[in-house]
Amino acid sequence: KQEVTQIPAALSVPEGENLVLNCSFTDSAIYNLQWFRQDPGKGLTSLLLIQSSQREQTSGRLNASLDKSSGRSTLYIAASQPGDSATYLCAVNGNQGGKLIFGQGTELSVKP
Amino acid sequence: GAGVSQSPSNKVTEKGKDVELRCDPISGHTALYWYRQRLGQGLEFLIYFQGNSAPDKSGLPSDRFSAERTGESVSTLTIQRTQQEDSAVYLCASSGSSGTDTQYFGPGTRLTVL
Repeated sequence: KQEVTQIPAALSVPEGENLVLNCSFTDSAIYNLQWFRQDPGKGLTSLLLIQSSQREQTSGRLNASLDKSSGRSTLYIAASQPGDSATYLCAVNGNQGGKLIFGQGTELSVKP
Repeated sequence: GAGVSQSPSNKVTEKGKDVELRCDPISGHTALYWYRQRLGQGLEFLIYFQGNSAPDKSGLPSDRFSAERTGESVSTLTIQRTQQEDSAVYLCASSGSSGTDTQYFGPGTRLTVL
């Protein structure tokens, strides 16, 4: 059974810092991995999707990496801003069709 | 274009009543998913529709839960005889022709069972 773990559960940083969020998964047989952000009381916003054949994806200040063999992904946020404050979720699309298995999330707070 | 929409945004019901939640996917998306997020917990997969294939119902927690989808359009999630543990935010997502494409989420329906 696929399990997804995110570390840390919460993180508080001053504005301008670079930071890394971690995601690990137990079954390396995945199609892709997706990072989302969730703002309080809102739905999920897709940030990046990495296919299993890819090593990384970049969008603006965000860079996500994938090491499928070791069951790890990281989300790197450069030059963090208060607007980046949200909960970041990692989700794995495994070998059972399109359903996503989510981690518990990392709650990020960026202080001005 | 329009994103995924869900209605109602909030629903308060009494224990034992039936509720119906609606999801309108992005036009042209053949895959549609329902997830549940209970307070303080992660998202749980409930059910997945892909085109005209039989849905993947493996995440439905009990036979009180059911969902339908007409073609590649609207889906409804029905919960019969609601219980307090059904209180959660119910999220719908859709994706393109491949079940492995990016999933786009709606804003969710917050269900409170008193």
